[in-house]
Amino acid sequence: DAMVIQNPRYQVTQFGKPVTLSCSQTLNHNVMYWYQQKSSQAPKLLFHYYDKDFNNEADTPDNFQSRRPNTSFCFLDIRSPGLGDAAMYLCATSIRGLGYTFGSGTRLTVV
Amino acid sequence: RKEVEQDPGPFNVPEGATVAFNCTYSNSASQSFFWYRQDCRKEPKLLMSVYSSGNEDGRFTAQLNRASQYISLLIRDSKLSDSATYLCVVSTAGSNYQLIWGAGTKLIIKP
Repeated sequence: DAMVIQNPRYQVTQFGKPVTLSCSQTLNHNVMYWYQQKSSQAPKLLFHYYDKDFNNEADTPDNFQSRRPNTSFCFLDIRSPGLGDAAMYLCATSIRGLGYTFGSGTRLTVV
Repeated sequence: RKEVEQDPGPFNVPEGATVAFNCTYSNSASQSFFWYRQDCRKEPKLLMSVYSSGNEDGRFTAQLNRASQYISLLIRDSKLSDSATYLCVVSTAGSNYQLIWGAGTKLIIKP
């Protein structure tokens, strides 16, 4: 089935050690998003790619970077994870903002 | 003021009862409205879109009140499996239809 796949499902990383989360999609959607969601909070948009165009939210820390090498893949790089970065990271896709589809998320723990 | 506001709950409701949530939004230019359901430690999943005329899907009814800028979700004959967090989501044309999320209302159905 066409879907959005996030790997890994759970990630444990050390304080300050760079970590990369991955997302792939078989939907051929042109927009890909990365959200951060902490417990009992709304998902918070970090950035999105509209085709190849990168759009960073104004309040996304510089510690967070993203790459989209092709339509199917998108990566979230956290250069120096802090304890406050522990969260669920959700990847989503859409066709020009419609038909939102989420991956199952990666739960990041920072130790 | 948050762009999308919800009562966080939790709403503790006996099985079989009817429960309703409201959600208010601040941007009068908002055009699309959704209810998402999120189970604990899982990704949000689209429950239903909300149309101007209101819409019903089985035990679930969604209503939109543009004048007062709120949407509602009614669940009839609640089941234990309805226990989840319900997220109100709004999008606005001209922003690439990006989603603005409420923090969710937690619903607990008790036997």
